[in-house]
Formats: sequence, structure tokens, C-alpha cells
Amino acid sequence: GAVVSQHPSWVICKSGTSVKIECRSLDFQATTMFWYRQFPKQSLMLMATSNEGSKATYEQGVEKDKFLINHASLTLSTLTVTSAHPEDSSFYICSARAPGLGDTQYFGPGTRLTVL
Amino acid sequence: AQSVTQPDIHITVSEGASLELRCNYSYGATPYLFWYVQSPGQGLQLLLKYFSGDTLVQGIKGFEAEFKRSQSSFNLRKPSVHWSDAAEYFCAVGPYEKLTFGTGTRLTIIP
Repeated sequence: GAVVSQHPSWVICKSGTSVKIECRSLDFQATTMFWYRQFPKQSLMLMATSNEGSKATYEQGVEKDKFLINHASLTLSTLTVTSAHPEDSSFYICSARAPGLGDTQYFGPGTRLTVL
Repeated sequence: AQSVTQPDIHITVSEGASLELRCNYSYGATPYLFWYVQSPGQGLQLLLKYFSGDTLVQGIKGFEAEFKRSQSSFNLRKPSVHWSDAAEYFCAVGPYEKLTFGTGTRLTIIP
């Protein structure tokens, strides 16, 4: 139980284009989803927290207009990297939680974004 | 502010040997503590967590961790490692809605 998926697992795009990453909770309803960014050989940095039906809360230093987060349903959240640049290349990981599953975040497998 | 320190960047152990990964935290109240494991190119899998109660926590894959408030530590242990345990291990401190992760410890297993 508590499985989270991400799609795509790997994406390459040209500089200036936008990329959408999906995060789905497969066997539970996620009231809250989180988006992290992980640079090579580094830890995870929380980018934003989203609650279903509400606007996402972004961490300090994260550009809201560049990283658009939508949490339209209890099983799906999307992260859109707009006008991507090479410095946006990173590993993006989502996680989700549900009250019935305790105070724990369950993580997706991650999406590797490479911007050329 | 909450923070997590994992002093060991890289640890190498022989298969079958015991393992201890260190984690020290800073948190203003009773912490929520977690250990996650990440295989290359993968997301994080929860190994175990501590919220309250018994300070020795059992997790999956034969791992355990002990919460020591006096030392602000939550070290991860395994009595006998397997080659499949090679991965990156992250300690995290809560609250659950805003986790702070350590920088991770890479575990290499040698035959």
C-alpha cells in the first residue's frame, strides 16, 4: 500500500520549453502532496507543498511562476517547469500523505529532467 | 530551525558485517524522525520512523534505529548487511508536513 508514481521517469527538453511532471497516489487519496528537488549527490530540498483544491505553498527562494504546481484531485498533482533552462536540470521527487496513513510522506520514484 | 546532520558521507562495509549510520538532529520539540533509503535513480523508501514511545524502533529489511534524546541522535543499525543494502540513506526530522533531510550517507557493500 501507499504507492506513489511519477511520470515521466526521465525527460529531456530544449531550453525555453515547458515540461509537466505528474505525481499520482495509486492506492490512497493524498490530501497533501510535496515536491522536492535533488541535485546530484545532495539531499532533497522541499520546493512546495500542495493541498487538494488549494494553491500550493512555496518555500522561500522557489519561483512560483517558474514551477507551477496543480493539485486538482486527491490522487494527482502536477509540476510544470516553465521556460526551462539548463540550471533547472535536476531530479524532481514528489511525495504524498494521507491522514489515514499516519504522519508519513510516501515518495514517488522521481523524474530526471535534463534541459539542453 | 530544524536541521539534520549525517556525519558520514560514505561508508563501506563487508557483506555480513554490522552497520551503524549516524544521524544527529536539532529540533525544538519532540521530533518526528525518519530514515529513508534511496537506490540509484529512484525515489525514497521509508525504512522506519519514530514519533513517540519505545525509543528502539524496528523497520523493514532488518533495520532498527534508536532515539536518544540526550544525544539528539537517531542512529540506524543493521546486524548483518546484504549486498542489496548498498544505497543512499537519508535521515529526516519532522514535523511530517515539513521534513528536513540530512545530506545522506552512501553505503557501499564489499564481498
